[in-house]
Amino acid sequence: AQSVTQLGSHVSVSEGALVLLRCNYSSSVPPYLFWYVQYPNQGLQLLLKYTSAATLVKGINGFEAEFKKSETSFHLTKPSAHMSDAAEYFCAVSDRETSYDKVIFGPGTSLSVIP
Amino acid sequence: DAGVTQSPTHLIKTRGQQVTLRCSPKSGHDTVSWYQQALGQGPQFIFQYYEEEERQRGNFPDRFSGHQFPNYSSELNVNALLLGDSALYLCASSLFGVNTEAFFGQGTRLTVV
Repeated sequence: AQSVTQLGSHVSVSEGALVLLRCNYSSSVPPYLFWYVQYPNQGLQLLLKYTSAATLVKGINGFEAEFKKSETSFHLTKPSAHMSDAAEYFCAVSDRETSYDKVIFGPGTSLSVIP
Repeated sequence: DAGVTQSPTHLIKTRGQQVTLRCSPKSGHDTVSWYQQALGQGPQFIFQYYEEEERQRGNFPDRFSGHQFPNYSSELNVNALLLGDSALYLCASSLFGVNTEAFFGQGTRLTVV
């Protein structure tokens, strides 16, 4: 069965610094992978997705993620953090064993940006 | 184009009561999935509806049930509410059999007291 782990429940970075949020997955089939962002009291917004095309995926708001099969990782990065990036970030894998659109989420990483 | 809409946005219920949450999918979508997000955790899959039938189910008790209507909208019903059912309930819509991502609504915050 598919699963997702996110290293670090809370990450703090200074404004302008590199953002790195870690995600590792487990899947018995080639995965579809996602990063979602959730602002306080809001739903989930898709940042980017990997669906077996290019391994480096660019998303919205300057975020990107690289799929590394050998490391079973899909880490999220942004070169320069902005105050508006403070939010909860979820890595997720699509349960392709049953259907594409059943999504299994990791526990989340809370990102704080320090002025 | 309206996205996924959920109602109500907030709800307070007493332990033992029953609750119904509603979801209208994004225009053009025919599949609705429901997720429960407890405070400080990632969303957990409850079930998915397509063609007015429950297609998949996560690890949730029978107290959680649902329905999909001919216009693709959906309801989530929870009976005999427990304090532990307090959570944000998210609805996601998608197009069945097409490899596109699911779109999420803003959620319904349920508090059980």
